[in-house]
Amino acid sequence: AQSVTQPDIHITVSEGASLELRCNYSYGATPYLFWYVQSPGQGLQLLLKYFSGDTLVQGIKGFEAEFKRSQSSFNLRKPSVHWSDAAEYFCAVGSSGGSNYKLTFGKGTLLTVNP
Amino acid sequence: DAGVIQSPRHEVTEMGQEVTLRCKPISGHNSLFWYRQTMMRGLELLIYFNNNVPIDDSGMPEDRFSAKMPNASFSTLKIQPSEPRDSAVYFCASRIDALETQYFGPGTRLLVL
Repeated sequence: AQSVTQPDIHITVSEGASLELRCNYSYGATPYLFWYVQSPGQGLQLLLKYFSGDTLVQGIKGFEAEFKRSQSSFNLRKPSVHWSDAAEYFCAVGSSGGSNYKLTFGKGTLLTVNP
Repeated sequence: DAGVIQSPRHEVTEMGQEVTLRCKPISGHNSLFWYRQTMMRGLELLIYFNNNVPIDDSGMPEDRFSAKMPNASFSTLKIQPSEPRDSAVYFCASRIDALETQYFGPGTRLLVL
């Protein structure tokens, strides 16, 4: 069964600082990987996704993520955080096999940005 | 370009009442998903429809929950009777095909007293 672990429940950074949110997945084959962001009271918005090819993927709002198969990781990064990035971030893994509709989400990382 | 539309955005009801949540997927999308989000369990897939047909309802908690998709542009999730432990945010998402991204609606925040 596929699973996702986001080890950090809550992270606080200062505005302008760099950010890395960790995501580890468990899946037997090549996974489809996603990062979503959820602002308070809002739905989930896709930041970026990895299906195949270049392991460094660029997303919206200046975010990027790197797929590392050897570490089963898909960490999200941003070089300089803005106050508007404060939100909850979810990593998700999708199946490339028969049940390819199923997304399994991590529990999320809440990001606080200090001025 | 309209995204996934959900109604109502907020619902407060009393235990034992029937609750109906509604979803309009993005036009042209042929897959629809209902999720539930709680602090304890995170985001859970309740049911998945493809071309209006329920494919996987293994996440539906119990018989009190039911979902329908009478046509490609409308789906409902019904809870009857509702219980306080059903309090959560319910999301609808849609997708165009197997390799594409799921797009989420804004959610319905349900509180059962």
